[in-house]
Amino acid sequence: AQKVTQAQTEISVVEKEDVTLDCVYETRDTTYYLFWYKQPPSGELVFLIRRNSFDEQNEISGRYSWNFQKSTSSFNFTITASQVVDSAVYFCALSEAESGAGSYQLTFGKGTKLSVIP
Amino acid sequence: DAGVTQSPTHLIKTRGQQVTLRCSPKSGHDTVSWYQQALGQGPQFIFQYYEEEERQRGNFPDRFSGHQFPNYSSELNVNALLLGDSALYLCASSPGTGTIMNTEAFFGQGTRLTVV
Repeated sequence: AQKVTQAQTEISVVEKEDVTLDCVYETRDTTYYLFWYKQPPSGELVFLIRRNSFDEQNEISGRYSWNFQKSTSSFNFTITASQVVDSAVYFCALSEAESGAGSYQLTFGKGTKLSVIP
Repeated sequence: DAGVTQSPTHLIKTRGQQVTLRCSPKSGHDTVSWYQQALGQGPQFIFQYYEEEERQRGNFPDRFSGHQFPNYSSELNVNALLLGDSALYLCASSPGTGTIMNTEAFFGQGTRLTVV
């Protein structure tokens, strides 16, 4: 069965500090997709990134970067020079491609609440 | 271009009652998925509708049912409400040509259901 673990429940940082959010996943499939979503207080889940299991290249988008390591089943998310607007709950999610039961759904972790203090 | 819209935004119901939540997908999307997010937890998949049929279902009891209309909008119905059904219910839409991993799902702002 697929599983996503976000061990950090809450993180507080001071503005302009860098912060890394951890994500560890479990799957028996060799083909799968990993996602990060941001959930501000309004409740809507905002898509940040999708990465397939065959692409282990790290990705950078502005102040955001993602580190995917299949060897440790991790897909960590780093925010550089954090800002108050980054305060939100961040979710890591997994979608399996090979097993029919998992391919149409996202399995989410419990989320990490990030608070950026001015 | 309107994104995913859900109604109502908030709802209070009494235990044992029935509730219907509504979702309009993003323009061009024909697949709708529903998720339940309890307080402090990640969203959990309820089911997905494609071509007016339930394509996949998560681990939820039959009290949870749904429907998709020809215009791709969808309803989530919950019967015999329990206190534990109190949660944020999120609707996500995506193009139906492939499975979820080929696309990104766009989420609505959710319906906050409180059962008292």
